[in-house]
Amino acid sequence: GAVVSQHPSWVICKSGTSVKIECRSLDFQATTMFWYRQFPKQSLMLMATSNEGSKATYEQGVEKDKFLINHASLTLSTLTVTSAHPEDSSFYICSAPKPGLTGDTQYFGPGTRLTVL
Amino acid sequence: GENVEQHPSTLSVQEGDSAVIKCTYSDSASNYFPWYKQELGKRPQLIIDIRSNVGEKKDQRIAVTLNKTAKHFSLHITETQPEDSAVYFCAATNFGNEKLTFGTGTRLTIIP
Repeated sequence: GAVVSQHPSWVICKSGTSVKIECRSLDFQATTMFWYRQFPKQSLMLMATSNEGSKATYEQGVEKDKFLINHASLTLSTLTVTSAHPEDSSFYICSAPKPGLTGDTQYFGPGTRLTVL
Repeated sequence: GENVEQHPSTLSVQEGDSAVIKCTYSDSASNYFPWYKQELGKRPQLIIDIRSNVGEKKDQRIAVTLNKTAKHFSLHITETQPEDSAVYFCAATNFGNEKLTFGTGTRLTIIP
């Protein structure tokens, strides 16, 4: 299957600092990538759609100035959590759709566990 | 927007028995329905998917059925094994949209 990587796999930071998470599609190009957040024992909640060459589309209730998204190339999207606070501690997962003969299939990155102290 | 409901939230079955997880969706335009398995602290892994032009799809011990009229789809796991224990998520999307809407998840426990 397709491979999507994320870096870092985990990060601990102090309150008020910014953290950047990278998502890469390793064997295919992705004009669109998705960023999700998952709290313990909960489902994946879509935060935003990252679009290569244009602005990201944010879901309702997600602060675009706090969660900065940059889709720098066809294989890389970054999510920066600015001025992180303890309530931002969560599991952040990206996904990318890979085109196939019968349609797109979404593949997920391994996730980044963010802990804000 | 799309709304996906998933039941049950927890399910325990004896090893070797079958497990069934059900989801309903609200948007009649949705036409792609994947199922993901997530182990603790790991990424969701696609285990099977179905598109709206078919009613059933099977891959070894796993099958998915889709009823477009009723707007529900189900995951069936037969001959369950301990390694099937995980959280399973259904999802739905309109193919052109690509945004997945996830169900709330089902924690499946296989009892040896």
